[in-house]
Order: sequence, then structure tokens, then C-alpha cells
Amino acid sequence: DARVTQTPRHKVTEMGQEVTMRCQPILGHNTVFWYRQTMMQGLELLAYFRNRAPLDDSGMPKDRFSAEMPDATLATLKIQPSEPRDSAVYFCASGGQYTEAFFGQGTRLTVV
Amino acid sequence: AQSVTQLDSQVPVFEEAPVELRCNYSSSVSVYLFWYVQYPNQGLQLLLKYLSGSTLVKGINGFEAEFNKSQTSFHLRKPSVHISDTAEYFCAVSNTGTASKLTFGTGTRLQVTL
Repeated sequence: DARVTQTPRHKVTEMGQEVTMRCQPILGHNTVFWYRQTMMQGLELLAYFRNRAPLDDSGMPKDRFSAEMPDATLATLKIQPSEPRDSAVYFCASGGQYTEAFFGQGTRLTVV
Repeated sequence: AQSVTQLDSQVPVFEEAPVELRCNYSSSVSVYLFWYVQYPNQGLQLLLKYLSGSTLVKGINGFEAEFNKSQTSFHLRKPSVHISDTAEYFCAVSNTGTASKLTFGTGTRLQVTL
């Protein structure tokens, strides 16, 4: 059963620390997305990649967030330095041109 | 640009009653339409999708939705809900160039009670 795998599932960190979230997309999917979910803003698209190339990261705060795909099996989202307002659930999803998006279980980030 | 409107933020319903969750979209191009469900502390799971063909789409767990192009709607229905259907439901749209790049609505919380 193919699925998107995200690690860690939960992360508690202190303000100012670096946070790295990882995602393993479904094999064969050429598009990877990072979403953030909060009560106030709902689901926001942060960035997405096609064939490992970044296509759109306009949803990300550029000064502290970065997203990369070092290879086809790994996508990362980093926050440095983290702030309390970054507390949210971060979802990775993968899909394709004619394939719907499949979501991971999310990383619940708490910045204290 | 595309947008999705889910008019109802919460829908309370008794078990075994029918339910309809409303979704309207706006787009200048042809679209694909989706409904996802999110259970507590879980990711989003696809309920059903409309890509082409029959405008009545059947999904998992007894849900169905009807694509109405003239009214730009894609309402989700279930004839008889169960307690286990309690969850957040998201309507989403993508353009036909990339099915997986979604624009989401704000979600509807379906609360099923006895």
C-alpha cells in the first residue's frame, strides 16, 4: 500500500532552534507539495516541486523557511530560526499531472 | 486563479439522517474537483474525485457528489450518516494541467450524534 511518509510525527522545540521535517513521496509521483494547517488559516500551500525542481514557493516566509528535494525519495522543509507562530501541522503530499494528491500523516510542530 | 467556497463551517446531524455538504468553486479554466476527509490527528484522505465523464461521482464510505458546471458546484451527499463519519471535510479544485495541485476550501466540520 503506497503512502507518503513524514517524519517526525511530532516535534517540540524552543524558539530560535532549527527544525527539519522530512517527507518520502510515493514512488513514481513527480510532484511534491508542502502544506501548513492552522486553525486560523486553514490549509496553506507553502511550496511545491515537479521532477525535484521548485516551481512555486511563494507561500513560504523566505527569510526563515526553505524547501528542498535532494533526491526523488526525499523532500525536506526547514525552519531556521523557528518562532512560536510557526506552530502548526505541516503536511507533505505527492501526486502527478493526472493523479490526485496523496497526503502524509503530517508533522505537528510546537515551538515554545 | 481558482477559489473554493464551503459555506457551512459546521454541520450537526443525527445518526442515520441524510447530509449534504456544500461546495462552490470559481475558475476561469476547466477543473478537476475533489473531496477529502480528515479524521482527528490524521492526514487528508481522498473521498472522491471528478475528472471527467459522469457528473455523479461515487466515493468511499457511501459518499457521492454531483458536479454541476452551470452552478459551479460539487456538493457532497450521504443518505445515512454514521457516528464514524464525524470529521472535517474539505472540497478542493485543481486545473486540468496538474490534478494534484489543489486549492482547498476552508473545510466543513461534520458532527454526527446519536
